[in-house]
Amino acid sequence: GQQLNQSPQSMFIQEGEDVSMNCTSSSIFNTWLWYKQEPGEGPVLLIALYKAGELTSNGRLTAQFGITRKDSFLNISASIPSDVGIYFCAGRRNAGNMLTFGGGTRLMVKP
Amino acid sequence: NAGVTQTPKFQVLKTGQSMTLQCAQDMNHNSMYWYRQDPGMGLRLIYYSASEGTTDKGEVPNGYNVSRLNKREFSLRLESAAPSQTSVYFCASSTVSGNTIYFGEGSWLTVV
Repeated sequence: GQQLNQSPQSMFIQEGEDVSMNCTSSSIFNTWLWYKQEPGEGPVLLIALYKAGELTSNGRLTAQFGITRKDSFLNISASIPSDVGIYFCAGRRNAGNMLTFGGGTRLMVKP
Repeated sequence: NAGVTQTPKFQVLKTGQSMTLQCAQDMNHNSMYWYRQDPGMGLRLIYYSASEGTTDKGEVPNGYNVSRLNKREFSLRLESAAPSQTSVYFCASSTVSGNTIYFGEGSWLTVV
């Protein structure tokens, strides 16, 4: 079953606000990925993390690989309406293992 | 830049009918996957093919079969559709390391 707990499940924020979401597990993962899914589309990779403690940015998005390797965080600064979508975390334990996905965080942005 | 292409986009089936979802990728990836997405459940792996000629069960394989036709194509078949298989299905592909997975746009399947 699903082994990644992603929170919050949904967020409704005002344009311009910063957003934080996280993903936790009781198991260690060696790769963390963050995806965004827009309505009617497949998930698109935003950020990939490969080392504990790693902090990586992609524009206004910043993701961190937790030091314990059991969690990861995604922050979006100065949100805009096009940030709307579902954000998924995904983790992999070892090379060749399958990805495990979190349940997603649905982000809604009010202009 | 087609990437991962899956068909059909939408399908309505009656209980007991069969159908095949088609998927093709043009990125020369070795590994391909079929996921299903249900509200609040994230993406769950149905079957995957690590390389041409191999297929393996994922987390939720019951009621499905797959065929890795060649390196480009990976199909998912429902032999006798059930309402519980109403879902959005995503095909995906990756290199062998699987560090980054690329998804198709999804197939919306309703079984009545």
